[in-house]
Amino acid sequence: DTGVSQDPRHKITKRGQNVTFRCDPISEHNRLYWYRQTLGQGPEFLTYFQNEAQLEKSRLLSDRFSAERPKGSFSTLEIQRTEQGDSAMYLCASSSDTGANVLTFGAGSRLTVL
Amino acid sequence: AQSVTQLDSQVPVFEEAPVELRCNYSSSVSVYLFWYVQYPNQGLQLLLKYLSGSTLVKGINGFEAEFNKSQTSFHLRKPSVHISDTAEYFCAVRALDSSYKLIFGSGTRLLVRP
Repeated sequence: DTGVSQDPRHKITKRGQNVTFRCDPISEHNRLYWYRQTLGQGPEFLTYFQNEAQLEKSRLLSDRFSAERPKGSFSTLEIQRTEQGDSAMYLCASSSDTGANVLTFGAGSRLTVL
Repeated sequence: AQSVTQLDSQVPVFEEAPVELRCNYSSSVSVYLFWYVQYPNQGLQLLLKYLSGSTLVKGINGFEAEFNKSQTSFHLRKPSVHISDTAEYFCAVRALDSSYKLIFGSGTRLLVRP
């Protein structure tokens, strides 16, 4: 078990560019979550998947954001036409569908939009 | 909808002193409760969780928390802190409805001084 992996760990981009983040969950976990965390704040829920199905999306997830989990394993989060307000840490977590559904988090992908 | 309030944004304390980090939640349905810790430039790590049963739960690193349903609180305590406990602490709630997401508070920064 290698935990939840996120790539890249840091991304600096110019306003208007597109960025994509990847998350590899713990292999036996069928639920996968994306959160956004800004400085001095707690993580804010964006979306989650059960296997390949996207079951819930936050209103924070504007039309410029899209998440996929095509084969029920890894997931990608794409941000189109980035804005300075998108600068944040993007956290991925996974959980199994048994027991208390405890989320295990990755180290995060930090986005800086110039 | 659920919400979590962590009233103290920062708690300074001297090494070996006791500490309490406060957490209050709001929910119209039953909940699971969690405390996570975040060290600089890292993801969130589970400290402890309350699912059911005994209202006093023990976690890692000597931390414990007590669930109080009447006061809708889940305060985190440690009888004697170490310098290494300096970190950001997040309280989170999961409603026992059809959603599996966690809702986080804004966090409390614990600053342990020598």
